[in-house]
Amino acid sequence: DTAVSQTPKYLVTQMGNDKSIKCEQNLGHDTMYWYKQDSKKFLKIMFSYNNKELIINETVPNRFSPKSPDKAHLNLHINSLELGDSAVYFCASSQGLASSTDTQYFGPGTRLTVL
Amino acid sequence: AQTVTQSQPEMSVQEAETVTLSCTYDTSENNYYLFWYKQPPSRQMILVIRQEAYKQQNATENRFSVNFQKAAKSFSLKISDSQLGDTAMYFCAPLYGNKLVFGAGTILRVKS
Repeated sequence: DTAVSQTPKYLVTQMGNDKSIKCEQNLGHDTMYWYKQDSKKFLKIMFSYNNKELIINETVPNRFSPKSPDKAHLNLHINSLELGDSAVYFCASSQGLASSTDTQYFGPGTRLTVL
Repeated sequence: AQTVTQSQPEMSVQEAETVTLSCTYDTSENNYYLFWYKQPPSRQMILVIRQEAYKQQNATENRFSVNFQKAAKSFSLKISDSQLGDTAMYFCAPLYGNKLVFGAGTILRVKS
């Protein structure tokens, strides 16, 4: 059983398009995250949601809009895609929020290529 | 700013040998957790080991162990009896609040 799943695994699109990446976790966790891994493998947090509420927004362009319909899902919508958006996007989840002790479990990643 | 430094961009080790990956970090917090994740060519991020900063005892997970020096803000990962399947990129990641801050990673190649 997949704990944190993402769709699609690969996404190739043209500049200027709008695309979405979906994430689901079946771990019963309360907190979900989006991370971006650039071409140099550097990983940085983008957003965090706890029980459908945004709690971290790391200076990400407003072309990126996360949406959490319920606590098991956190989708990432990207408007007007740019070449620099090409990266691997990872979804992750953890048990709670109150403690800074929770291990984060990652999805398989979505490789986005903008042409 | 909270920084994480992995000073070894690449390392190689012979199968069955031991290797240590280094990590230093900078924080003013007193209570935090530290993690090592590995990313094999499949790109999946896999948890290797975690350490609670308030614990003096170093964490161990089978062939993986850490050397945690809180005063020096150092958190190295030791892999014993290296196996070919350990070939991956390894990331050190302190957890501040609920934000993981990743180092630049160390590529480890295990040779037969």
